[in-house]
Amino acid sequence: KNEVEQSPQNLTAQEGEFITINCSYSVGISALHWLQQHPGGGIVSLFMLSSGKKKHGRLIATINIQEKHSSLHITASHPRDSAVYICAVCFMDSNYQLIWGAGTKLIIKP
Amino acid sequence: DSGVTQTPKHLITATGQRVTLRCSPRSGDLSVYWYQQSLDQGLQFLIQYYNGEERAKGNILERFSAQQFPDLHSELNLSSLELGDSALYFCASTVGGNGNTEAFFGQGTRLTVV
Repeated sequence: KNEVEQSPQNLTAQEGEFITINCSYSVGISALHWLQQHPGGGIVSLFMLSSGKKKHGRLIATINIQEKHSSLHITASHPRDSAVYICAVCFMDSNYQLIWGAGTKLIIKP
Repeated sequence: DSGVTQTPKHLITATGQRVTLRCSPRSGDLSVYWYQQSLDQGLQFLIQYYNGEERAKGNILERFSAQQFPDLHSELNLSSLELGDSALYFCASTVGGNGNTEAFFGQGTRLTVV
């Protein structure tokens, strides 16, 4: 069964802390997406990766294909990073669908 | 700005009615996905179109239908609306027809059924 699990479900941290959000999946994938949903509802694609590591500003995404695991890191977190972070996975046999994780609600306190 | 345009942004309608949500994909993107997000729920995949043809179907109710037109914009039709259909409806577009390319999301249409 194609499954995506995210952890933690909720995360509250102080401004400046290093944040890690995890995503694990069950079987082989062709791509993994990290997305950010703002409190107002809008969704932004942060990364799409199938191997290795990507960095954009204070955000870093890594994926370990052998361990079927990806992490999203935020360095020097800021209150404006408060959002829901969602991992979505394209499984090789998913008929083009993205299977979504439940999301991690992140709150950064000033 | 993702380049994906959804209209209207907000819609309030009564039970039993029918509404049409519209999505214009990013220029050059051939694929449109529709998602439903109910209150405090995750994104539920409804349906995908690629270059005018239905590509994949998710948890879409029979009361709902969609199509993609020759200019690649897409419409999601919701009929016989029920209170439980109140949700945020997102569309996303990608260049390719699978999940291997970056997805760009519209701002969503917030549907309230009263």
